[in-house]
Amino acid sequence: DAKTTQPTSMDCAEGRAANLPCNHSTISGNEYVYWYRQIHSQGPQYIIHGLKNNETNEMASLIITEDRKSSTLILPHATLRDTAVYYCIVTYRGSTLGRLYFGRGTQLTVWP
Amino acid sequence: AAGVIQSPRHLIKEKRETATLKCYPIPRHDTVYWYQQGPGQDPQFLISFYEKMQSDKGSIPDRFSAQQFSDYHSELNMSSLELGDSALYFCASSLEGAEAFFGQGTRLTVV
Repeated sequence: DAKTTQPTSMDCAEGRAANLPCNHSTISGNEYVYWYRQIHSQGPQYIIHGLKNNETNEMASLIITEDRKSSTLILPHATLRDTAVYYCIVTYRGSTLGRLYFGRGTQLTVWP
Repeated sequence: AAGVIQSPRHLIKEKRETATLKCYPIPRHDTVYWYQQGPGQDPQFLISFYEKMQSDKGSIPDRFSAQQFSDYHSELNMSSLELGDSALYFCASSLEGAEAFFGQGTRLTVV
């Protein structure tokens, strides 16, 4: 079921930008890229999603390559509270079959 | 803003007992999802409901059942509990297939 590949772990200095990559080379034309994160044992938290264009919200920016085979989540100014497992998920939107497949994710550690 | 509410937050049951977990979705959300997360594992999809009808099914054991009621809250019923059922159980809700928002989970411990 794995449609995405992410590095197992990354670290980042507090205040710096965290850039989390994701490969999704088999993404289909109408599948979206979603990012969620999970802070230890809490419920997964929605961050951002996109289809083709780059997206930005109050939490992060999402850069999707033109061929849509990869994307990068950017946390512009990482804080200690951003330490979490980040999941890149490819799925359909607007249907009743919107299950999320959580792959291995990237453990991001932000250090002071 | 209202979030997804799950109850109880913690539950301890003995083997072979039955447990019922409850989920109250965000108001006006039409879809509810249930996920199971074992120790050191990633969340695994169990089942979902759209407008009170089962819409998708994942790796949910036959000992588990779920339903969504007329007020849109959902319950996950687990019978003949096994030690391996000890996990975090998350409920999520969404509106018209858009992004899903998760509750804080129920930690089930089977002893």
